[in-house]
Amino acid sequence: GIQVEQSPPDLILQEGANSTLRCNFSDSVNNLQWFHQNPWGQLINLFYIPSGTKQNGRLSATTVATERYSLLYISSSQTTDSGVYFCAVENNYGQNFVFGPGTRLSVLP
Amino acid sequence: DGGITQSPKYLFRKEGQNVTLSCEQNLNHDAMYWYRQDPGQGLRLIYYSQIVNDFQKGDIAEGYSVSREKKESFPLTVTSAQKNPTAFYLCASSYPGGSGGYTFGSGTRLTVV
Repeated sequence: GIQVEQSPPDLILQEGANSTLRCNFSDSVNNLQWFHQNPWGQLINLFYIPSGTKQNGRLSATTVATERYSLLYISSSQTTDSGVYFCAVENNYGQNFVFGPGTRLSVLP
Repeated sequence: DGGITQSPKYLFRKEGQNVTLSCEQNLNHDAMYWYRQDPGQGLRLIYYSQIVNDFQKGDIAEGYSVSREKKESFPLTVTSAQKNPTAFYLCASSYPGGSGGYTFGSGTRLTVV
């Protein structure tokens, strides 16, 4: 099946810093999502982005499907950005999403 | 407001008992999914259903069972055959084939005592 890798596995930032999280996948995909899991376990859908670039406030994401990667940018990070960021991809069979292992982000005040 | 509700939030089970986790959505989504998350790990797919009265095994279906009798509901039963059931269980729903992305419930933390 499709393999999903995320880097870095852990990231520590000072409040106000910018960061880039990367997601690589091993095969062609129909769709891709980025999620944020807060410390209480709730998963929030950040972007549904099979290709191109989207922005939502301080966050933006870019997926280059032909090169099999996606990037999540966080600008002017805040302590509330802490948590785990997951990338999930849907293969061409369109049955379900496969999740990467996540990037654990800690933003320090 | 539309959403997806999981209950209970915390569940304790004695070894050898079956337990059922509830997942209800009012988003009019056709597809529903169950994932398992172990501490510090990613999400692994247990079962999914693209339509009422039909469901498919995911990557780790052994020791679990599901039903999909109503569009709004997709309960998960953790049976005594599941050797290591302590985990965080997440339910999600979407339009067919994951179109538009997933919406997740807030999860159920199951502990075997």
